[in-house]
Amino acid sequence: RKEVEQDPGPFNVPEGATVAFNCTYSNSASQSFFWYRQDCRKEPKLLMSVYSSGNEDGRFTAQLNRASQYISLLIRDSKLSDSATYLCVVNIEAQKLVFGQGTRLTINP
Amino acid sequence: NAGVMQNPRHLVRRRGQEARLRCSPMKGHSHVYWYRQLPEEGLKFMVYLQKENIIDESGMPKERFSAEFPKEGPSILRIQQVVRGDSAAYFCASSAGATSGKLFFGSGTQLSVL
Repeated sequence: RKEVEQDPGPFNVPEGATVAFNCTYSNSASQSFFWYRQDCRKEPKLLMSVYSSGNEDGRFTAQLNRASQYISLLIRDSKLSDSATYLCVVNIEAQKLVFGQGTRLTINP
Repeated sequence: NAGVMQNPRHLVRRRGQEARLRCSPMKGHSHVYWYRQLPEEGLKFMVYLQKENIIDESGMPKERFSAEFPKEGPSILRIQQVVRGDSAAYFCASSAGATSGKLFFGSGTQLSVL
């Protein structure tokens, strides 16, 4: 089983729609969780951290379910500029961050 | 305040040659990570270094690959006797502290092995 698993997609949704994707992780001792965004093979950039109580940043909401070992990302009122690959990232141990394969999202006009 | 600087952006090598990839972390960052990304795949952790020390190299292939982060100068990822399978994007990232999960990535080096 992979340490971090994501549905690679692609997800194709119309502009303005709400879209959500999940990510599962295998190590129950994982401490920290993040969502990164990667555009067109450019460098990944931190989108948001994921906190135990769930957190929101504008149109983006991240949640953590420790019991089921998954995190989720919800994007509301999607924009064309949200088209990207979203990477689920888990801090497995010390400083080792493990990246999921990524979920490709395309927002259509 | 310059970000993470990687060079070269593109590197072409013939099979059997050596590839040297350079990474200068953000100012004030002493933790450097190298990741490899194959086409249509996610980022794979290779190595984590602090100044003059390799902390975790569990993702490094056992042969031909080495990394260093000297006291002065950039971090270097070195690949000896490259093969076609080494063709990939190599990303370097840095962070400020040992407990921070926030990584700042460089633009990557695209290595192509002919």
